[in-house]
Amino acid sequence: QVQLVESGGGVVQPGGSLRLSCAASGFTFRYYGMNWVRQAPGKGLEWVAFIRYDGSYNYYADSVKGRFTVSRDNSKSTLYLQMNSLRAEDTAVYYCAREWGAAYWGQGTLVTVSS
Amino acid sequence: DVVMTQSPLSLPVTLGQPASISCRSSQSLVHSDGNTYLNWFQQRPGQSPRRLIYTVSNRDSGVPDRFSGSGSGTDFTLKISRVEAEDVGVYYCMQNTHGLTFGGGTKVEIK
Repeated sequence: QVQLVESGGGVVQPGGSLRLSCAASGFTFRYYGMNWVRQAPGKGLEWVAFIRYDGSYNYYADSVKGRFTVSRDNSKSTLYLQMNSLRAEDTAVYYCAREWGAAYWGQGTLVTVSS
Repeated sequence: DVVMTQSPLSLPVTLGQPASISCRSSQSLVHSDGNTYLNWFQQRPGQSPRRLIYTVSNRDSGVPDRFSGSGSGTDFTLKISRVEAEDVGVYYCMQNTHGLTFGGGTKVEIK
């Protein structure tokens, strides 16, 4: 069955960096585009970034453009999110979700930006 | 950006009774390919979101048939024919015709 497992979350100071990973299994990873979606504590869902199945195209929300970079390693079936210049408002649970229509989601990893 | 507006914010329902959630978009969600990319998600307390409905009215695998989606253009509805205890949670609409945006969510709770 489709499984997505995020990791790499934690506590980081404002201005710091963090890299999230999403390990995929149960499907042919290299065939699917992937999203990152976040959810601030007690709030709704916010789309963050998308990467095409072959990594040739990336697409970002305005709120993270220029600070976050999405990438993937199809040989490892793993999706990444490099987050730089982190702000308090980036505090959230970060989910990876398969394909543009977000058909499958991981369990999420919590990122807390605080001094 | 396309803005998705859900109503109501909160929906208290009686077990066994129907429930309906509305979602409106700030522009038509009909894609140039003819499809309408409007989806519905359920997020139970403490869990990740789960997709229930894609392209307006298609149920995902394993989704009970008491859930149904309808609508067109800018107005869409998710209906639960008979609410069960396991349906408690927050429901989100999401469009991926023009970029990808979520509605603000509707919290379904039992009266």
